[in-house]
Formats: sequence, C-alpha cells, structure tokens
Amino acid sequence: EDQVTQSPEALRLQEGESSSLNCSYTVSGLRGLFWYRQDPGKGPEFLFTLYSAGEEKEKERLKATLTKKESFLHITAPKPEDSATYLCAVQAITGFQKLVFGTGTRLLVSP
Amino acid sequence: DTEVTQTPKHLVMGMTNKKSLKCEQHMGHRAMYWYKQKAKKPPELMFVYSYEKLSINESVPSRFSPECPNSSLLNLHLHALQPEDSALYLCASSPSGANVLTFGAGSRLTVL
Repeated sequence: EDQVTQSPEALRLQEGESSSLNCSYTVSGLRGLFWYRQDPGKGPEFLFTLYSAGEEKEKERLKATLTKKESFLHITAPKPEDSATYLCAVQAITGFQKLVFGTGTRLLVSP
Repeated sequence: DTEVTQTPKHLVMGMTNKKSLKCEQHMGHRAMYWYKQKAKKPPELMFVYSYEKLSINESVPSRFSPECPNSSLLNLHLHALQPEDSALYLCASSPSGANVLTFGAGSRLTVL
C-alpha cells in the first residue's frame, strides 16, 4: 500500500528563519510527487511536481527536492504569508489517477 | 479560466434530506475528482471521472452518488447522510488522470 508520512506535524518559525519540511514515502513505482499548500477552509493549491530522484524545483522562497525515499520542502527566509498547511502527495505508476496525501505540516510564521 | 468552482460553499442538512454539491471547470480538463477532507486530516479520494465515465470509486457508501453530466460539470448527490459525513468536500480536475490536479475551494458540509 502506498504511504506518505510528513514531519513535523506543526512548525513555528520566526520571520526570516529558514527550515525544511520532510515527506517520506513508500510507493509501488513513483510516477510523481506533488507539493500543495492549503490555507484554512480552502482547497489545496499546487506548488511543485517532482518526477525523479535528484530533481529540484524552486518558486520564490520555496525549494523542493526529491530522493528515492523522501522529499524536502525548503523554506528560505519565510514571511508570515507563508503560513499554511503544506501537503505532500504521491502518484503511483499503477494507480496514476489517484493521489495519496500525507497528513501535512502546519506552518506558522510569526512576524 | 483556470478555476474550479464549487457550490454551495456551505451546506447544512438533516439526515433525511437530499442535497447536491456542484462543481464546474472550463479548463478543458477531462478528469474530475471528488475528495473528502476531515478537520486536520489529508484529503481522501472518493471518486474519479475520466472522459465522463466513472473510473474509480474508493468503496464509498451508496448514500454518496456522483454524476458527471458533461465534461465541465461534476455533481455529488447526498442522501441519508450521517453526522460523521460532515467534512470539507473538494472537487478537482486535471487534463487527464496523470497530471496536476487543480482543486476548488470546497463545500463545507454539516450533517445534523
């Protein structure tokens, strides 16, 4: 069974304090790994897709990386508006229409 | 238009009521999804429609009935729900099954 585990569950940072979120996964053949951001009471918003180990993608203060067992979302010099829940999801080669989500990391960035 | 629109945003219903959730997209996507999300939990897949045909049903109880009238619309018909069905129901779409999902803002359902 495909599984995704995210850590930490919650993270509190001061504005400008860089950190990383972890997503560990087991999947029967990875088609893609996705990072989404979700604000309270709203739907997830797409951030990145990673397809193969060693791949990296960046967007503003966020950088996502992928290995064969985990992915990291690095947040550099975060701002209060980066506060949200960050969800990781995997898509398997065999069940390609299905995204399996992790429980997410709730990030709070204080001014 | 790069949005998935869900209505209503909030719905309160009794256990004997019949109601429907609606979802619309005009991005030309051919796959549409229903997810259920409980508080502080990840979204869980319920149904997938691909080219207007039901392709995945994740063993969802029959009190939830999906419908895809055309390639732009997705409905979720609700009947005889239980209080534990209260959740945020998310609709999503993608160009096909193996692409990035675009989610709507969700419909917050409360069953009394």
